Amino acid sequence: EIVMTQSPATLSVSPGERATLSCRASQSVISHLAWYQQKPGQPPRLLIYGASTRATDIPARFSGSGSGTEFTLTISSLQSEDFAVYYCQQYNYWPPITFGQGTRLEIK
Amino acid sequence: QVHLVESGGGVVQPGRSLRLSCAASGFISSYAMQWVRQAPGKGLEWVALISYDGSNRYYADSVKGRFTISRDNSNNTLHLQMNGLRADDTAVYYCAREPRGRRVFEYWGQGTLVTVSS
Repeated sequence: EIVMTQSPATLSVSPGERATLSCRASQSVISHLAWYQQKPGQPPRLLIYGASTRATDIPARFSGSGSGTEFTLTISSLQSEDFAVYYCQQYNYWPPITFGQGTRLEIK
Repeated sequence: QVHLVESGGGVVQPGRSLRLSCAASGFISSYAMQWVRQAPGKGLEWVALISYDGSNRYYADSVKGRFTISRDNSNNTLHLQMNGLRADDTAVYYCAREPRGRRVFEYWGQGTLVTVSS
């Protein structure tokens, strides 16, 4: 099973600033990595797949990078609606499909 | 556009069974479908996957042998039969549809809460 580790657990950033979230895989997942955003009481929303491709209707301020075992989600110029929990997910080796434990992005 | 609506959640005693359903409006018969769960205040856990035609099914180790995923493409419906429920099965259960060619979750339902408690 591929273990996904996200850091930090909580990130405090001011609106308008940049946020950088990290995700590490226990072994290479090539570029088979997705990112999701989840707000309280809502299902997750797909942001990025293939490590760097934005999903439909996702704003350009969201960008993904990385390959192999190290991945980054960057949110440039944070908006109020971006404060949420973010999860990474690998889909290179399955089953099982595995998620990171999440990073909570909070307002500083 | 695809709209997914889960149903069938509720409070159930340990050891009992429950059947979840996911009704889809929009095209799902050519796509694999999955169940993902989220325990209260916790992260996401993949539960099960079924191929577009139902010929292949995969499960998380935590539910293997107890849960069965199935689908009825004629009615655009996905099911999760859950037997031998345990307290650690307590979670919101989401159904989700993949895009073609990628094992990610593009469309999600709003989820249905399953509480296993005596």
